Amino acid sequence: DAGVTQSPTHLIKTRGQHVTLRCSPISGHKSVSWYQQVLGQGPQFIFQYYEKEERGRGNFPDRFSARQFPNYSSELNVNALLLGDSALYLCASSLVWQGAANTEAFFGQGTRLTVV
Amino acid sequence: AQKVTQAQTEISVVEKEDVTLDCVYETRDTTYYLFWYKQPPSGELVFLIRRNSFDEQNEISGRYSWNFQKSTSSFNFTITASQVVDSAVYFCALTNSNAGYALNFGKGTSLLVTP
Repeated sequence: DAGVTQSPTHLIKTRGQHVTLRCSPISGHKSVSWYQQVLGQGPQFIFQYYEKEERGRGNFPDRFSARQFPNYSSELNVNALLLGDSALYLCASSLVWQGAANTEAFFGQGTRLTVV
Repeated sequence: AQKVTQAQTEISVVEKEDVTLDCVYETRDTTYYLFWYKQPPSGELVFLIRRNSFDEQNEISGRYSWNFQKSTSSFNFTITASQVVDSAVYFCALTNSNAGYALNFGKGTSLLVTP
């Protein structure tokens, strides 16, 4: 079975541009979460979606938005990119809403975004 | 507020040595969940263990063991007889309902095991 897949793997953008990152969860998983990992730090929670509805949002500006599609895949959008948005963006999928807290989250390999 | 502290930034050991990675957490809630994840150079986070706040039993899985002590708010991870393949960054994480069950990670400990 395929794991969590993210695309693209690497991306270079210029300040002020917009970026869209994509995530396909494990087949059968209905929940997707997004995390930002700046170099040398632990991942920071951005969004969580379950059954196409937003279930949680971290402390990120409105430039960050996301959505989940009927096939449970997800997109993370970032507008007006800043140099500080350079990071590894990780997607995690789980079988049910992680609010159940007894469900394991499986992570993808991430998208490495560099803003220049 | 929740907080996870991994005071050890980097640890270097020689193969076959035992190594313990420390994790101290802060939360006001009585119900919470603790996790350890491994992040190899490829980037993905690999789940190692989940423990809920009501289960203080220590756990052993092969060369890995975990020591959960609520009295000291610690959830330490020990690798016995370390191997080169254990080289990675290890993250401790905390979650509960007040966090919307989002994972709150520490800054990680980079473990280097040399032959």
